[in-house]
Amino acid sequence: GAVVSQHPSWVICKSGTSVKIECRSLDFQATTMFWYRQFPKQSLMLMATSNEGSKATYEQGVEKDKFLINHASLTLSTLTVTSAHPEDSSFYICSARTQLNVFQPQHFGDGTRLSIL
Amino acid sequence: AQKVTQAQTEISVVEKEDVTLDCVYETRDTTYYLFWYKQPPSGELVFLIRRNSFDEQNEISGRYSWNFQKSTSSFNFTITASQVVDSAVYFCALSAQTGANSKLTFGKGITLSVRP
Repeated sequence: GAVVSQHPSWVICKSGTSVKIECRSLDFQATTMFWYRQFPKQSLMLMATSNEGSKATYEQGVEKDKFLINHASLTLSTLTVTSAHPEDSSFYICSARTQLNVFQPQHFGDGTRLSIL
Repeated sequence: AQKVTQAQTEISVVEKEDVTLDCVYETRDTTYYLFWYKQPPSGELVFLIRRNSFDEQNEISGRYSWNFQKSTSSFNFTITASQVVDSAVYFCALSAQTGANSKLTFGKGITLSVRP
């Protein structure tokens, strides 16, 4: 149980393109989803926290207009990297948790490798 | 603010050796959770263990064991008789906010290489 699916697994696109990454909870209702970014050989840095039906809460230094997060349903959150540039190339990983048991660990997706040419 | 320090960056051992990965944390909260995650080369994060601040009992799961000591704010992870498949990056993490928006703070990770 508690499976989180992230799509796509990897994407390569040209500079200036907008890229959408989906994070789905397959067998539970994810009232809260988290988006992380990981540069090569570095740790995971939280970008934002999203609650279903409300605006995401962004961490300091993360551009809201650059990284658009939508959490319109209890099973889906999306991260859109708008007008992506090479410096946005990174590993993006989402996690999800249910409101029913907030003390359970977050369940992570398999991540998306984004390469901007 | 909360902080997780993994002072070791890279560890290389030969198969069957025991290895301990260190984790030191800082938090002002009295209620918190500590985690270890494994990230193999494929990138996904694999949950290994969660420990709450009120439970200082050590835990053993197969070849894995964890030593939680509040007095030294440490939560160390030992792999006994390491195997090549243990090669991965290991992250220690802390969550000190309860509630739906509790955030995970990760350490920088330790890259473990197990040589045959």
